[in-house]
Amino acid sequence: DADVTQTPRNRITKTGKRIMLECSQTKGHDRMYWYRQDPGLGLRLIYYSFDVKDINKGEISDGYSVSRQAQAKFSLSLESAIPNQTALYFCATRGYKTDTQYFGPGTRLTVL
Amino acid sequence: QKEVEQNSGPLSVPEGAIASLNCTYSDRGSQSFFWYRQYSGKSPELIMFIYSNGDKEDGRFTAQLNKASQYVSLLIRDSQPSDSATYLCAGYLTGGGNKLTFGTGTQLKVEL
Repeated sequence: DADVTQTPRNRITKTGKRIMLECSQTKGHDRMYWYRQDPGLGLRLIYYSFDVKDINKGEISDGYSVSRQAQAKFSLSLESAIPNQTALYFCATRGYKTDTQYFGPGTRLTVL
Repeated sequence: QKEVEQNSGPLSVPEGAIASLNCTYSDRGSQSFFWYRQYSGKSPELIMFIYSNGDKEDGRFTAQLNKASQYVSLLIRDSQPSDSATYLCAGYLTGGGNKLTFGTGTQLKVEL
């Protein structure tokens, strides 16, 4: 079984809809991250969390919110989706004893 | 200037050749660097990390770090068609708040 899972894997939605992307991990890591990837722009950090009570904005947090429901779960919400939020979204985790981030399989989101 | 910079490529090499991928970074105090491989539509997969000046070898892969020149490279020996992917360089930059900063990636094509 995968250590980091993301649901859904693919989602098509309409402008103005609220959508939630979920990430779960069984690695026991305390740190979790949400990135989006666009062609030519690389991976950009949306939000990150070092533990359940610690949530931080990344470089492109506008239009997004997050919830850390438990150490193993970190959700990303788009309150009112817009077409330029069409992208590939990745969740990543990191343990406090390591610098390495491990990525989930990604969610391909299309906003029409 | 981007904080972590890579040539987008594509870099084309014949099968069996050495592929050399390069990355520069802007922050002289940066400590640890990572190379991820990403196949189209898939999640980034860690290839190597390097913390110290010099070379680090793992199988067909060698990472090189030169902190004085602010330069990181990845050499792939005996390149195979399965190595064709985008390679992402990333680093924890000083003052980055434990956030991993990614380059935009270099596309490698290994030709038969």
